[in-house]
Amino acid sequence: DVKVTQSSRYLVKRTGEKVFLECVQDMDHENMFWYRQDPGLGLRLIYFSYDVKMKEKGDIPEGYSVSREKKERFSLILESASTNQTSMYLCASSLTGRRPYEQYFGPGTRLTVT
Amino acid sequence: AQKITQTQPGMFVQEKEAVTLDCTYDTSDPSYGLFWYKQPSSGEMIFLIYQGSYDQQNATEGRYSLNFQKARKSANLVISASQLGDSAMYFCAMRYAGGTSYGKLTFGQGTILTVHP
Repeated sequence: DVKVTQSSRYLVKRTGEKVFLECVQDMDHENMFWYRQDPGLGLRLIYFSYDVKMKEKGDIPEGYSVSREKKERFSLILESASTNQTSMYLCASSLTGRRPYEQYFGPGTRLTVT
Repeated sequence: AQKITQTQPGMFVQEKEAVTLDCTYDTSDPSYGLFWYKQPSSGEMIFLIYQGSYDQQNATEGRYSLNFQKARKSANLVISASQLGDSAMYFCAMRYAGGTSYGKLTFGQGTILTVHP
């Protein structure tokens, strides 16, 4: 079974702190993704990576950065956390070029910024 | 730009009955894929079913089927014989490759399904 793990289920941080969310997958997937989930908005793509050290902006990258130094690990960084970044963060991974192309998701991190 | 619309914020169904969850999409790309995911209250996202834009037949997976109407740009999920465990949030999503090998997903807003005993 594919397993995607995230470093924390719940996280509380203060405004202005630097926040690291870690994601690890164990199935040698090339692609990794970070989403945030907010009520009424569904999931929105923040950043994704299709190879080590490669990254591309998603739909809402402002206020976030990412790092992928190893194939299995993809980190989301909030440089200076703000209250509007309070949300559920979901990491996902997928294989390249294999139907049905589904993304495998981690359990999510519920981040509260106070 | 790719867009997915789920117009039903909440749906109710009686146990053992069938239910249809609506999804419409918008894209100008001829090659795309459509997904449905289930998210129970525990929060994990569970892949249910996939339909490719060139697939001739509607996708089915057990009690789940995808009613794909390409001309109408709709991809409704049909759950037959609903069970209490089907109560969850359901997301429709579209994969857009745009010439890349990896593809990105665009998600709808979600529909909360409640199954009554």
